[in-house]
Amino acid sequence: DTAVSQTPKYLVTQMGNDKSIKCEQNLGHDTMYWYKQDSKKFLKIMFSYNNKELIINETVPNRFSPKSPDKAHLNLHINSLELGDSAVYFCASSHTAGARGYTFGSGTRLTVV
Amino acid sequence: AQKVTQAQTEISVVEKEDVTLDCVYETRDTTYYLFWYKQPPSGELVFLIRRNSFDEQNEISGRYSWNFQKSTSSFNFTITASQVVDSAVYFCALSGGSTGANSKLTFGKGITLSVRP
Repeated sequence: DTAVSQTPKYLVTQMGNDKSIKCEQNLGHDTMYWYKQDSKKFLKIMFSYNNKELIINETVPNRFSPKSPDKAHLNLHINSLELGDSAVYFCASSHTAGARGYTFGSGTRLTVV
Repeated sequence: AQKVTQAQTEISVVEKEDVTLDCVYETRDTTYYLFWYKQPPSGELVFLIRRNSFDEQNEISGRYSWNFQKSTSSFNFTITASQVVDSAVYFCALSGGSTGANSKLTFGKGITLSVRP
């Protein structure tokens, strides 16, 4: 029944590794997002897809690559992880953007050691 | 560009006190949406309210109330008779509401509210 689900919830990995975070929504929304929350709790948009098309790509290192196989899924792959990538990553979805609000996943806490 | 300013960073009150969390926004859009989210210590983002730019009516939901004033670009949030369970980080956010690049949510930096027994 979970509307927006992210896996894994926690991810601890070593520097230099490659990892993926998966996100799925069952709300029928057409737009999905990745947000990053840093250690100071600041939330910032990273990417957004609308019907599998990339529409927002903020200033994010090339090591981050989103992939949307269909409009219900948006995955985030991170290459060559660095200490500064440690953060909480939130997936969200929406239909007609702000008009009907956004639904967030519960977040993935990534710790790079 | 859209911007949300939450000038208060940390607020500490004693239980049963009223507290107001301030939010000021900037946007060039004529249609936009304002939000408040609560992030308790458990970490999830809890939706509290959405307000569109055409509707300046204030809203009350239990102990929570919101004051939207377009003239001052503010969307303030008041908790009446605060409780320990209100302790959390509160985010104000803004979106353009349309699809495309303007559909993203722009967040303020958040206000950490601590309610002491």
